[in-house]
Amino acid sequence: DIQMTQSPSFLSASVGERVTLSCRASQNINKYLDWYQQKLGEAPKLLIYNTNNLHTGIPSRFSGSGSGTDYTLTISSLQPEDVATYFCLQRNSWPWTFGGGTKLELK
Amino acid sequence: EVQLQQSGAELVKPGASVKLSCKTSGYTFSNYYMSWLKQMPGQNIEWIGNIYGGNGGTGYNQKFKGKATLTVDKSSSTAYMDLSSLTSEDSAVYFCARHRAPLGYFDFWGPGTMVTVSS
Repeated sequence: DIQMTQSPSFLSASVGERVTLSCRASQNINKYLDWYQQKLGEAPKLLIYNTNNLHTGIPSRFSGSGSGTDYTLTISSLQPEDVATYFCLQRNSWPWTFGGGTKLELK
Repeated sequence: EVQLQQSGAELVKPGASVKLSCKTSGYTFSNYYMSWLKQMPGQNIEWIGNIYGGNGGTGYNQKFKGKATLTVDKSSSTAYMDLSSLTSEDSAVYFCARHRAPLGYFDFWGPGTMVTVSS
């Protein structure tokens, strides 16, 4: 199975700050990488698919990049409603695997 | 509006089985796949398997073969997951999530069903 490692596990940032979350795969995943946001007690919500495609209705402050084994989710200006845990998911090969998550809080 | 409505929380005894449902509306059920995912409290998400609404074809994570069985009822646009021989390790929230292609991204998720295995 492909292992997905997210860093940092926990991040505290201020409103308006630029935030970068990382996800590293144990092998090349050919940009089949998605980002999901999960708020406490809710289901995950798709933010970005195939590395850099913004899902419908997602604010443009979210963006994704990467290739090979290394991928990044960037929030250009953190908002209070962005407090959540963020997961990456690889769909390059079965079984699909998630990263352990980055918990984002306000400073 | 796309909706995935999951069945209510379950409290089941060790060794028992449980059947979870994911009733859909707002889209053509037979044109999409449905995956099931497991999230233990405070932990990572695991992909269990998927099923095609068109013909019921399935694919499973090897880890969950023998544990989970996925089925669909096209007449009611509902996906089901049977979990068997339950242990405390099966206590988790289970989500259903829709995707357009066999390797597609999960664009809509159900709210989740909490399963607690306890005597």
